[in-house]
Amino acid sequence: QKEVEQNSGPLSVPEGAIASLNCTYSDRGSQSFFWYRQYSGKSPELIMSIYSNGDKEDGRFTAQLNKASQYVSLLIRDSQPSDSATYLCAALSYSGAGSYQLTFGKGTKLSVIP
Amino acid sequence: DVKVTQSSRYLVKRTGEKVFLECVQDMDHENMFWYRQDPGLGLRLIYFSYDVKMKEKGDIPEGYSVSREKKERFSLILESASTNQTSMYLCASKWTENTGELFFGEGSRLTVL
Repeated sequence: QKEVEQNSGPLSVPEGAIASLNCTYSDRGSQSFFWYRQYSGKSPELIMSIYSNGDKEDGRFTAQLNKASQYVSLLIRDSQPSDSATYLCAALSYSGAGSYQLTFGKGTKLSVIP
Repeated sequence: DVKVTQSSRYLVKRTGEKVFLECVQDMDHENMFWYRQDPGLGLRLIYFSYDVKMKEKGDIPEGYSVSREKKERFSLILESASTNQTSMYLCASKWTENTGELFFGEGSRLTVL
């Protein structure tokens, strides 16, 4: 059973601080990783993807991947109240016969305090 | 922009009723999915489809069926709704099998009384 684990939170950070969201995955064969943001009452939307070890930056967001430790993180710099949402981590794995499986964590709720 | 449209945002049904949830995507995606999302349980995959008339069970298919007669449309059917099927239902689609980039619809919140 492939699993993606996240701390459910809530994670509270003051406005302007760095928010650090973490995720671990069980399948060492997972190939690519994704962060989705979900505002309350809305559907998830993709904000970052990462495919290789190291950091990937996009504006205030940085995704980090360490395949040896099976660890993915998302850093949000200069956090804003508008970043308050639940962040879902997902891992894509090959499951054989040309099929792929996308496994989601349960999400971490982030609250940015003005 | 990719658009995934779910026919009903809010539904209230009675126990035992048959429920249809419709989903349409406009970007010619081959892959479509139905999830349900409950507090504390996260997203759980009900059924998915990689082609017209093709369906595969996800993690929690019991009590559900699906239909994909046209590429753009993927329907979720609750043959006899029960109170434990009260949930948020999310439809999603993606370009190819080997991507994790899902495009979600706005969701259908179903309440079964």
